[in-house]
Amino acid sequence: SAVISQKPSRDICQRGTSLTIQCQVDSQVTMMFWYRQQPGQSLTLIATANQGSEATYESGFVIDKFPISRPNLTFSTLTVSNMSPEDSSIYLCSARGGAWNEQYFGPGTRLTVT
Amino acid sequence: TQLLEQSPQFLSIQEGENLTVYCNSSSVFSSLQWYRQEPGEGPVLLVTVVTGGEVKKLKRLTFQFGDARKDSSLHITAAQPGDTGLYLCAEGGGGATNKLIFGTGTLLAVQP
Repeated sequence: SAVISQKPSRDICQRGTSLTIQCQVDSQVTMMFWYRQQPGQSLTLIATANQGSEATYESGFVIDKFPISRPNLTFSTLTVSNMSPEDSSIYLCSARGGAWNEQYFGPGTRLTVT
Repeated sequence: TQLLEQSPQFLSIQEGENLTVYCNSSSVFSSLQWYRQEPGEGPVLLVTVVTGGEVKKLKRLTFQFGDARKDSSLHITAAQPGDTGLYLCAEGGGGATNKLIFGTGTLLAVQP
């Protein structure tokens, strides 16, 4: 299994500013993912972060709004740029390992944009 | 795009009751995972099922994979308040590059 930590755990930000969320995994993993989740609802994949290459974004998410870095096999960052209240959500980092696509999640970053 | 529908969407029951959560897909699963997420935490993997008809037990939780691999169920016996959380099924396409597709989720509240 993998243990994943995220920083910050929560933040309140002003409209128009940017926030960078950090994700650290305790072991090397091939793939890391960033998700968004409204409380009590399912997860929506933002992008897949591959080490050494550009992130792959899902429909509705663009690099200018959600730039992602993946400098090594244990770390990734997600930036939420030019924030608006609609960006208020929980952002979760995830990493994959194991033979059957088992995936592990960080505790999430609760973002509120005022 | 594969859609995973879960039912019910919400469930509030008393401690000691039994319940079943369902996950249905528009196409065949390659493998299916069940997660539980508690407030303020990330989802935690409960089980992975791969073979049609497979049944797995995890203490009071029983997971079943449909014969045709297009549906799955999670049955909880004698629910406890600690079972409260968001239950998510997810389909994991075979291979290291395929992403997980999550179901719509079932929010369970077990009242003491």
